[in-house]
Amino acid sequence: DIQVTQSPSAMSASIGDRVTMTCRASQDISIYLAWFQQKPGKVPKRLIYRASSLESGVPSRFSGSGSGTEFTLTISGLQPEDFATYYCLQHHNYRGTFGQGTKVEIK
Amino acid sequence: EVQLAESGGNLVQPGGSLRLSCAASGFSISNYWMTWVRQAPGKGLEWVANINPNGAEKYYVDSVKGRITLSRDNAKNAVFLQMNSLRAEDTALYYCARLGLFDGPVSSDYWGRGTQVTVSS
Repeated sequence: DIQVTQSPSAMSASIGDRVTMTCRASQDISIYLAWFQQKPGKVPKRLIYRASSLESGVPSRFSGSGSGTEFTLTISGLQPEDFATYYCLQHHNYRGTFGQGTKVEIK
Repeated sequence: EVQLAESGGNLVQPGGSLRLSCAASGFSISNYWMTWVRQAPGKGLEWVANINPNGAEKYYVDSVKGRITLSRDNAKNAVFLQMNSLRAEDTALYYCARLGLFDGPVSSDYWGRGTQVTVSS
């Protein structure tokens, strides 16, 4: 099975900051990676699919990049509603693996 | 409106069995891969299993292989997760989801609210 390593596990940031988190896959997954946001007590919400395509309705401050084994989610200009946990999901060959999650907290 | 509603979660002893159901409305599951994702208390998301539109292809995370079976009844617009030989580490909130990532053109993702499975003596 493909393993996914997500880092960092947590970060503290201020409103307006630019934050970046990374997922590394154990083998080439092309662009079969998505990013999800989850707030406490809520179901996950997809932000990015195919590594860099922004979900309809998601603010443009969210962006994804990467291919192969290394992927990045960037939030440019953190807003109060962005404090949450973020997960990547690789979905190569109809199987899935989530990253361990990155919790973005208020500094 | 697309909705997914899970049911069947319960408190069960180690070694026991449960059958989770996911009832879909607002769309026909016959056109989509369906997925189960679980989340242990205070932990991250874990992909559990996928099933293709006609039920012929199924994929499972290694930790549940041989103990969990995914099935679907397209006529009833429902997906099922048969869980046997349950272990404490299977304790989690189980989500049914249409992730929209496996069907060709990417479509919106939809999630149920989850059903709680607790394995404890």
